[in-house]
Amino acid sequence: DAGITQSPRHKVTETGTPVTLRCHQTENHRYMYWYRQDPGHGLRLIHYSYGVKDTDKGEVSDGYSVSRSKTEDFLLTLESATSSQTSVYFCAITDLNLNEQYFGPGTRLTVT
Amino acid sequence: TQLLEQSPQFLSIQEGENLTVYCNSSSVFSSLQWYRQEPGEGPVLLVTVVTGGEVKKLKRLTFQFGDARKDSSLHITAAQPGDTGLYLCAGAYSSGSARQLTFGSGTQLTVLP
Repeated sequence: DAGITQSPRHKVTETGTPVTLRCHQTENHRYMYWYRQDPGHGLRLIHYSYGVKDTDKGEVSDGYSVSRSKTEDFLLTLESATSSQTSVYFCAITDLNLNEQYFGPGTRLTVT
Repeated sequence: TQLLEQSPQFLSIQEGENLTVYCNSSSVFSSLQWYRQEPGEGPVLLVTVVTGGEVKKLKRLTFQFGDARKDSSLHITAAQPGDTGLYLCAGAYSSGSARQLTFGSGTQLTVLP
C-alpha cells in the first residue's frame, strides 16, 4: 500500500466555519491531488500540487484553497464551509511514469 | 472539460455470470487506468493500459484498450460476490496535462450469491 494517510477521517461542521483537511505521504512523490467524490459524479479534481509551494486549480476549485509547505503534506482548506461541500474527499499521489494515482482512505465531511 | 462516459452506471448480476463495463471518450488517451473502490475506502488501481489494442488480464478480469485509444472495456468472467464494488475508469488525455486524470462516473457492480 502507498503510504498515504488523511486526517480527520470523519468531520461534521457547521455552515460558515473554516475546515482544514490534511493529506500526508511517506513516498516522497512530487505530485499530490485533492478530489471530491459525489454520487453520479465520480471523482472531480479540486486542486493539485507539483512541488513545495507549487499548486494549481482543478475542475471544481471554487471555495477551496490548498497549501504545500513540505513535500509530505498537502492541506485542503474550506475557508467558509457550505452545505454543497458535503462530500467525501480523497487525496492522491502519482507515479510519474504512467500517471497511475494512489489514493488515501478518504475524509467524509458533512456540513450542516 | 473533457468527458469520460462510463456505462452502465449500475449492474446487478448473479454469481457465475459474465459482464462488461465500458469507458468512452471522443478524445485520445495517452494512458488509461481502471480502479476498484469498496465502501469507505479509496480507489485501488487495477491496471494501466497505454498502447492501442492492448489487452491485459488480471485473473478473471480482462481489460482492453481500443485501437484508437479513445475507449476501453473491463470484462469479468464468472463474477463472484467478492467482485462487488465501484469500478472507475480514468484517463490521461494526450492533449491535456499528463499529470491529471479525468474519471468516469463509475459502475456500481453487485454480484449476488
